[in-house]
Amino acid sequence: ETGVTQTPRHLVMGMTNKKSLKCEQHLGHNAMYWYKQSAKKPLELMFVYSLEERVENNSVPSRFSPECPNSSHLFLHLHTLQPEDSALYLCASSQDRLGTDTQYFGPGTRLTVL
Amino acid sequence: TQLLEQSPQFLSIQEGENLTVYCNSSSVFSSLQWYRQEPGEGPVLLVTVVTGGEVKKLKRLTFQFGDARKDSSLHITAAQPGDTGLYLCAGEANFNKFYFGSGTKLNVKP
Repeated sequence: ETGVTQTPRHLVMGMTNKKSLKCEQHLGHNAMYWYKQSAKKPLELMFVYSLEERVENNSVPSRFSPECPNSSHLFLHLHTLQPEDSALYLCASSQDRLGTDTQYFGPGTRLTVL
Repeated sequence: TQLLEQSPQFLSIQEGENLTVYCNSSSVFSSLQWYRQEPGEGPVLLVTVVTGGEVKKLKRLTFQFGDARKDSSLHITAAQPGDTGLYLCAGEANFNKFYFGSGTKLNVKP
């Protein structure tokens, strides 16, 4: 499999559940990202990892917890979410954490919080 | 906040028509990217422009970066149903930070 893959593609969870989103990139990239895409709002950058170290955390609530065990995998652990957290969560990767590097996006996980 | 406004928000046209979508800001960007996102997929990079006044062409798509590097436009000639999707612009500022617009949703009817 090539590119950036995300699982699951769809997730419905209650506010008290704990779940995790998984992202895997097969491109040999060093940087990985989590974005949130809500209807009619700009794409919001949540977290940035470079060489498995978190280099950016854009004021994201603690109910979202990222994990990057190696340069190919990125997780987003979720617990006690709110209905307003329902959105499309996109993972991306790039060769390095440079503005000129192309970001390759996965297909996203459509999350619904009841 | 580096706000990028895209217009129009929605555009529905017939196959064969031409169209232009806009990405505007009061901020200066060192580069600007355009993406297309199809339903059920993530955004795919179409082009990056870095020089004020730069024009890039990608088949029927023409991208222009404003002279002051605050705005950009995307012009599609003879639109086709395959052009349907959400067009996003993203500006780079403050070294490696990208700020996305809300997008223009384009529907090209056969």
